[in-house]
Amino acid sequence: DAKTTQPNSMESNEEEPVHLPCNHSTISGTDYIHWYRQLPSQGPEYVIHGLTSNVNNRMASLAIAEDRKSSTLILHRATLRDAAVYYCILRDVKGGRLASGTYKYIFGTGTRLKVLA
Amino acid sequence: SAVISQKPSRDICQRGTSLTIQCQVDSQVTMMFWYRQQPGQSLTLIATANQGSEATYESGFVIDKFPISRPNLTFSTLTVSNMSPEDSSIYLCSVEDRGRGVDTEAFFGQGTRLTVV
Repeated sequence: DAKTTQPNSMESNEEEPVHLPCNHSTISGTDYIHWYRQLPSQGPEYVIHGLTSNVNNRMASLAIAEDRKSSTLILHRATLRDAAVYYCILRDVKGGRLASGTYKYIFGTGTRLKVLA
Repeated sequence: SAVISQKPSRDICQRGTSLTIQCQVDSQVTMMFWYRQQPGQSLTLIATANQGSEATYESGFVIDKFPISRPNLTFSTLTVSNMSPEDSSIYLCSVEDRGRGVDTEAFFGQGTRLTVV
């Protein structure tokens, strides 16, 4: 399974942008980059995903390096509610594609984001 | 998008006993996934469960310890057998389903917090 590397923890001030990095140097050409976050006492929830181009949605932006070996999740204005563990996941096609067409989601260690008031 | 209900939400069990965790999804899904999250750790995939066939276990997990049933396309159970304190974890059920866009994403239950004493 392709691996991701993230910093263990980061801090941000409220109302400021946050850039959460992820390295995935062994990514294959068809692996999608997914980001999930896990709020305290909750199951993980989807944030954003992309393949090659940068992506924006109402929660965040995803910047993907040209060689796809790294990506950055951008929270434009951090709030206290954004304090969570953020996971960068490669949706593994080659190793994890199951007969039905679904994929395995293999979690790395994640980054614990602390937002300071 | 899928909504997942897990029961029980938490339990305290005696060592040597077994606990069965139920996962109900509000839509039909091909694959269901079971994860374990030990205290302060990331999620580890235990197995994938396909309706009508035996579950596929990840390295380090065996059917005798974690038997899984998948009787239909909306329901699965995970049993933690012959429990020891090392089994104290959060167990999460997950499915892949269409999200807000055209692509699929993973959805997670709230988890079952198990404490073995």
